[in-house]
Amino acid sequence: DIVMTQTPLSSPVTLGQPASISCRSSQSLVHSDGNTYLSWLQQRPGQPPRLLIYRISNRFSGVPDRFSGSGAGTDFTLKISRVEPEDVGVYYCMQVTHFPWTFGQGTKVEIK
Amino acid sequence: QITLKESGPTVVKPTQTLTLTCTFSGFSLRTSGVGVGWIRQPPGKGLEWLALIYWDNDKRFSPSLQSRLTITKDSSKNQVVLTLTNMDPVDTATYFCAHRLHMELQFDYWGQGILVTVSS
Repeated sequence: DIVMTQTPLSSPVTLGQPASISCRSSQSLVHSDGNTYLSWLQQRPGQPPRLLIYRISNRFSGVPDRFSGSGAGTDFTLKISRVEPEDVGVYYCMQVTHFPWTFGQGTKVEIK
Repeated sequence: QITLKESGPTVVKPTQTLTLTCTFSGFSLRTSGVGVGWIRQPPGKGLEWLALIYWDNDKRFSPSLQSRLTITKDSSKNQVVLTLTNMDPVDTATYFCAHRLHMELQFDYWGQGILVTVSS
């Protein structure tokens, strides 16, 4: 199985300041079709996960543009340009290139 | 508007079989590319992918649970059913079902989840 490792596991952030989460995979996430299927999910307290980013850098419908994704191969990053109160929650990276699909451990974003 | 909702027992005894139903609307499991998956989350912990069924009845399972898992669909009823045999307290978790549109858009819509507790 591909292991997804996120850092940091906890990120206290001041409102209005940026936040960055790293996700590293144990092997390349490049699919045989040439695409890289790395997604980012947000889980607010008491809520189901919500898709934010798919295929490394594509924002899903309705996701604010303060969220951005980047990376390639085995190293990926989710950035929040200016953290707002509704961004509090746990963020997961997820690879859907290789079965079994796997998630990172989650990074908790909280307000300082 | 795509919606999914999980239903089933909230408490099961050890060794019993868990049967969960995902009832959905806003899409058809007869449409090429579409799928429905199951993911679980133990209390206070992370996410674990369990299984996926595609529009063409192809299925994928987590290798660690494959011997215990079954997934079926009833496209006419807009339902997907997951069964997990030989339940153990470590299987206590919130179980989510989620929609898959195609290779790029996996799990773009999620149900609210159902907390299943395994206890005697």
